Amino acid sequence: EPEVTQTPSHQVTQMGQEVILRCVPISNHLYFYWYRQILGQKVEFLVSFYNNEISEKSEIFDDQFSVERPDGSNFTLKIRSTKLEDSAMYFCASRWTDNEQFFGPGTRLTVL
Amino acid sequence: AQSVTQLDSQVPVFEEAPVELRCNYSSSVSVYLFWYVQYPNQGLQLLLKYLSGSTLVKGINGFEAEFNKSQTSFHLRKPSVHISDTAEYFCAVTPLQGTYKYIFGTGTRLKVLA
Repeated sequence: EPEVTQTPSHQVTQMGQEVILRCVPISNHLYFYWYRQILGQKVEFLVSFYNNEISEKSEIFDDQFSVERPDGSNFTLKIRSTKLEDSAMYFCASRWTDNEQFFGPGTRLTVL
Repeated sequence: AQSVTQLDSQVPVFEEAPVELRCNYSSSVSVYLFWYVQYPNQGLQLLLKYLSGSTLVKGINGFEAEFNKSQTSFHLRKPSVHISDTAEYFCAVTPLQGTYKYIFGTGTRLKVLA
């Protein structure tokens, strides 16, 4: 069964460093999303992406964040200069044209 | 805008007992509704979804949920829980317009006791 994959599973970085979180969505899906979950809190929407551009972003998704689909299979989330409060689990999701999103297993980002 | 409320942050229940996890939502437009389960250190797995039609929806692992439009609720139930059901459960909605982003509730930690 096709699934969304994410790498790495855990990323540790120093404050101020850039990180790139990688996702491989299900191959025929057209819509892509990033969510984050700070420890003990709810899952929050960050950004949606369709047709090679951002279709919606939340207030959390400021200028430090960017997304890209560099090669037609990967979908990346870049944080330019990480802050302590960026520590969270980041989930990638994708969907075809219907409404069900399929989630990856997540990347745990720890900023020291 | 949409919001989802899961009033119970934790629900302890004995094995083989029934359980209900509550979810209420607020939205000015029609929504689809979902329940996801998250086992420790894992991702989100879809339990069930309501799109249209019958208001009683059956999902995986013996779970079911009932959509009540007048009460804007989508409570999750299981008649007899197992130890393996111990996990975090999230209710989510997505509006039937726009980007179909999900709005999640704060989650309910179900702890099944032996």
